[in-house]
Amino acid sequence: ETGVTQTPRHLVMGMTNKKSLKCEQHLGHNAMYWYKQSAKKPLELMFVYSLEERVENNSVPSRFSPECPNSSHLFLHLHTLQPEDSALYLCASSQDRVAGVTGELFFGEGSRLTVL
Amino acid sequence: KNQVEQSPQSLIILEGKNCTLQCNYTVSPFSNLRWYKQDTGRGPVSLTIMTFSENTKSNGRYTATLDADTKQSSLHITASQLSDSASYICVVSSGGSTLGRLYFGRGTQLTVWP
Repeated sequence: ETGVTQTPRHLVMGMTNKKSLKCEQHLGHNAMYWYKQSAKKPLELMFVYSLEERVENNSVPSRFSPECPNSSHLFLHLHTLQPEDSALYLCASSQDRVAGVTGELFFGEGSRLTVL
Repeated sequence: KNQVEQSPQSLIILEGKNCTLQCNYTVSPFSNLRWYKQDTGRGPVSLTIMTFSENTKSNGRYTATLDADTKQSSLHITASQLSDSASYICVVSSGGSTLGRLYFGRGTQLTVWP
């Protein structure tokens, strides 16, 4: 138990569906992240939020839409996805943006997404 | 180009044996190097984090080494157990500010057989 909870753990959706991934951290951290993990590829950073403000967007397609309503919750809204978007989506948190680089990063268990 | 290369890509060992995983990096500037363990279908969990001045760090049966001059790190697992079967990911951090980034290796998939 890392203190970062992701739901759902598994999600299957069609290309025309709209769904959302949820992440909640119970660590009192101020920075939260979305990562994509595809088979045999390194983790790819998608979005970074610091104090509820998006501070980084790594050229992610607009069909992925993040939302951070407060420092404990992070969402990833999904719509009109492609089969190549099938992957494990990991949420992470750190004390703050600098600690994410200099210190510990805590990951959730991930949401396994399959796009048909 | 900042890169993190891990070897071998996969490894199979018998329970009770030792093994060593390698990580070579070209990341600069260097802030720290981390090893994560990721069980199948789960999120990565931190094993060790080492800064420039640290040569070795242990966490139970896991011992990580760092040679900042040659930009190499290794993770040694002693007396392996079935629960050690997982992907081990090397992550190198550059910089010490909000401009710093994390560079991830592809991981080494370790399988421990009984």
